[in-house]
Amino acid sequence: EVQLLESGGGLVQPGGSLRLSCAASGLTFSTTAMTWVRQAPGKGLEWVSTISGSGGGTYFADSVKGRFTISRDNSRSTLFLQMNGLRAEDTAVYFCAKGALGAAHGLWGQGTLVTVSS
Amino acid sequence: QSVLTQPPSVSGAPGQRVTISCTGSSSNIGAGYDVHWYQQLPGTAPKLLIYGNTNRPSGVPGRFSGSKSGTSASLAISGLQAEDEADYYCQSYDNNMSGLDVFGTGTKVTVL
Repeated sequence: EVQLLESGGGLVQPGGSLRLSCAASGLTFSTTAMTWVRQAPGKGLEWVSTISGSGGGTYFADSVKGRFTISRDNSRSTLFLQMNGLRAEDTAVYFCAKGALGAAHGLWGQGTLVTVSS
Repeated sequence: QSVLTQPPSVSGAPGQRVTISCTGSSSNIGAGYDVHWYQQLPGTAPKLLIYGNTNRPSGVPGRFSGSKSGTSASLAISGLQAEDEADYYCQSYDNNMSGLDVFGTGTKVTVL
């Protein structure tokens, strides 16, 4: 079965760090660009970051640039999002999704909730 | 602040046809980039509904259709059903913004 499974969400204090993971199965992970999208409570979808299949190309929304890092381990078919300097406005459900910038995201994980609060 | 604008809500009776607009600009839809549409039921992940402006993935009912013209795109739902009550988002690429992969503001479809 083709699926994505996120993990690593939780409650963190402002200024803290968190690392999200997204385990992929059933797809040729190493040649697939991957994307993180978030959704704040009661709000719409917001693109966060995208990484190329090789990991050589990374892209970030201005709202997270310099604080978040995207990476991947193709040997383990796993995508990561390292989040540093977290702010209250980063509180959201974070989804990983298959697909490059501007491409259709045909496969999504179930999401993991990140709450930034003291 | 999204660069793709959608109406906050649309509604219709079962069996009716509703359309959702997605208005962009010359740096995204108007530049020729594809538009994709997603359906999101409460508490679930988005589901791809339309890709490449007009194409339906396998399994998506034929009552969903997409179109694009100029700096706008539209999603139409014909023969509205109760299970279509959900949030809908458009998505495209933008070459002039901090957010390169841009989503629309979202539209809540209510089946009366």
